[in-house]
Amino acid sequence: DTEVTQTPKHLVMGMTNKKSLKCEQHMGHRAMYWYKQKAKKPPELMFVYSYEKLSINESVPSRFSPECPNSSLLNLHLHALQPEDSALYLCASSQETGESNQPQHFGDGTRLSIL
Amino acid sequence: ELKVEQNPLFLSMQEGKNYTIYCNYSTTSDRLYWYRQDPGKSLESLFVLLSNGAVKQEGRLMASLDTKARLSTLHITAAVHDLSATYFCAVDRDDKIIFGKGTRLHILP
Repeated sequence: DTEVTQTPKHLVMGMTNKKSLKCEQHMGHRAMYWYKQKAKKPPELMFVYSYEKLSINESVPSRFSPECPNSSLLNLHLHALQPEDSALYLCASSQETGESNQPQHFGDGTRLSIL
Repeated sequence: ELKVEQNPLFLSMQEGKNYTIYCNYSTTSDRLYWYRQDPGKSLESLFVLLSNGAVKQEGRLMASLDTKARLSTLHITAAVHDLSATYFCAVDRDDKIIFGKGTRLHILP
């Protein structure tokens, strides 16, 4: 069991669909992250939110749209995805970005398949 | 550009043996992490290393950091089958976390 909860666990969608991935943590963390992980590859950072503001966007295509409604929630809105976007999407949180000796806590991920 | 290299990328070893995974990074960093990932699962934090000479141990795993050499090691002592997993090191610089390619560790019973 992880303290970062992601829903759904699995998602299959067509290239014209719109869907959202959700992430929730109740550890009081002020930094939240989205990663993309392809099979047998390391996670790749997509977005970083710090105190509910987007602080890093790693040149992610606009078909991925992050949203942080409050300090406990992080969404990733998906629209017009491509087959190569099929991957495991991991959410993580940490106390803060910057000065911290604490690790990121990862959710179990959403396994996304684009038809 | 920050680059993180791990080696070996794949390691098959017998139970009871010792081995070391190496993690080199290209520029100065703020923090270094070690994570474990089981197949189809999420990442579990093992260690956070902050300063030169830091050494942390948990069970059969010990991690160290040499910031001057830009090198971290993860040492496995008397391996057991339960340690089979993929191990990632990751380096944090300016709030960007870059992962190494991972070391797939397979421990034979």
